[in-house]
Amino acid sequence: NAGVTQTPKFRILKIGQSMTLQCTQDMNHNYMYWYRQDPGMGLKLIYYSVGAGITDKGEVPNGYNVSRSTTEDFPLRLELAAPSQTSVYFCASETGRQNTEAFFGQGTRLTVV
Amino acid sequence: AQSVTQPDIHITVSEGASLELRCNYSYGATPYLFWYVQSPGQGLQLLLKYFSGDTLVQGIKGFEAEFKRSQSSFNLRKPSVHWSDAAEYFCAVGGRTGNQFYFGTGTSLTVIP
Repeated sequence: NAGVTQTPKFRILKIGQSMTLQCTQDMNHNYMYWYRQDPGMGLKLIYYSVGAGITDKGEVPNGYNVSRSTTEDFPLRLELAAPSQTSVYFCASETGRQNTEAFFGQGTRLTVV
Repeated sequence: AQSVTQPDIHITVSEGASLELRCNYSYGATPYLFWYVQSPGQGLQLLLKYFSGDTLVQGIKGFEAEFKRSQSSFNLRKPSVHWSDAAEYFCAVGGRTGNQFYFGTGTSLTVIP
């Protein structure tokens, strides 16, 4: 059971470039999340999805887009990379039922130069 | 406003000594409470969670936490720390699902021989 898998693990982007962070889970979880983690800060929610075809903004959505065409996949898109998007990105998933917890991927470390 | 405070940015303990990591929260409803651990270069792993019932919660790796509603606290404890416990620890509070989570800024634990 792979759990939550994120690719790539590391990436360096130039300002203005675009990229997609991939996230897939094999636990048939309905709920999926993208967080970013900055030094000395807690995790901030970027976007989330409660099921295929449904997405919604979190606390810090600006500069990002998501899609959820399948239950398994929840890619995060950066269209015009900016230095402020240098961060570690975590994808997570959970069932959405009461009294369960979220499972996290290992993270993607992104640097924008 | 919802928030989580981890007052200790960094803690150093000797191997075999006891440990307490503090977490205080502000949440408008009955909270769900979590402690996660993050080893270097890894994703977040759930240590324990509190949803309801007994306010003393046992987790993995010998950790426990106590929910004190009157103090709005959910402190993490371990009676005897092992070198492998060196990591970053995050407290989180939220509602039923992860889109309602709020994370603290983390406490970095160093264990000295």
